[in-house]
Amino acid sequence: NAGVTQTPKFQVLKTGQSMTLQCAQDMNHNSMYWYRQDPGMGLRLIYYSASEGTTDKGEVPNGYNVSRLNKREFSLRLESAAPSQTSVYFCASSVGTSGNTIYFGEGSWLTVV
Amino acid sequence: GDSVTQMEGPVTLSEEAFLTINCTYTATGYPSLFWYVQYPGEGLQLLLKATKADDKGSNKGFEATYRKETTSFHLEKGSVQVSDSAVYFCALSDLAGNNRKLIWGLGTSLAVNP
Repeated sequence: NAGVTQTPKFQVLKTGQSMTLQCAQDMNHNSMYWYRQDPGMGLRLIYYSASEGTTDKGEVPNGYNVSRLNKREFSLRLESAAPSQTSVYFCASSVGTSGNTIYFGEGSWLTVV
Repeated sequence: GDSVTQMEGPVTLSEEAFLTINCTYTATGYPSLFWYVQYPGEGLQLLLKATKADDKGSNKGFEATYRKETTSFHLEKGSVQVSDSAVYFCALSDLAGNNRKLIWGLGTSLAVNP
């Protein structure tokens, strides 16, 4: 029962390095999301993909890019990592973008030094 | 704008104690309300939800009632177990249930001791 799988689980980056967080879901969901979770800030939406072939900015998109590779996979890229991007990142998916339960991955802990 | 306020944690209880985690909200219109739970090392998962006033969501012994008059959605459980130790998040979405506009509380950490 995989659900939403994201990799890597832990990563340390140097300022200016780039990396991609991978996410895949096996529930045949149309919509996928990337969130970041910071102490005292709650969960904030970075980008989402309402359906295969579409992506849109969320609340905090600056410094990130995304790719909806196919219906299953939605990746998040940091082109030039900054210490402010140190956070826990969650990928999530749902059947659609309205009125549906959101299913989350286990999180990716990213530290930028 | 819309917002969610949860009681600050951590909350520490003994097994079989009664649990209340307060959640209040401000919103235009009539949002849907949710409680998500994050167990250690796992992602968030939906615990319960309510979509209209006076609705009661329930799951795994947890309950929360959508109170429009007090703009609250407090989470309760009559007898907590060690396995309930987790972080609990209150959230709201707009009338259309728009997942892109979920508003999240900051989370309340619960530790249950045997």
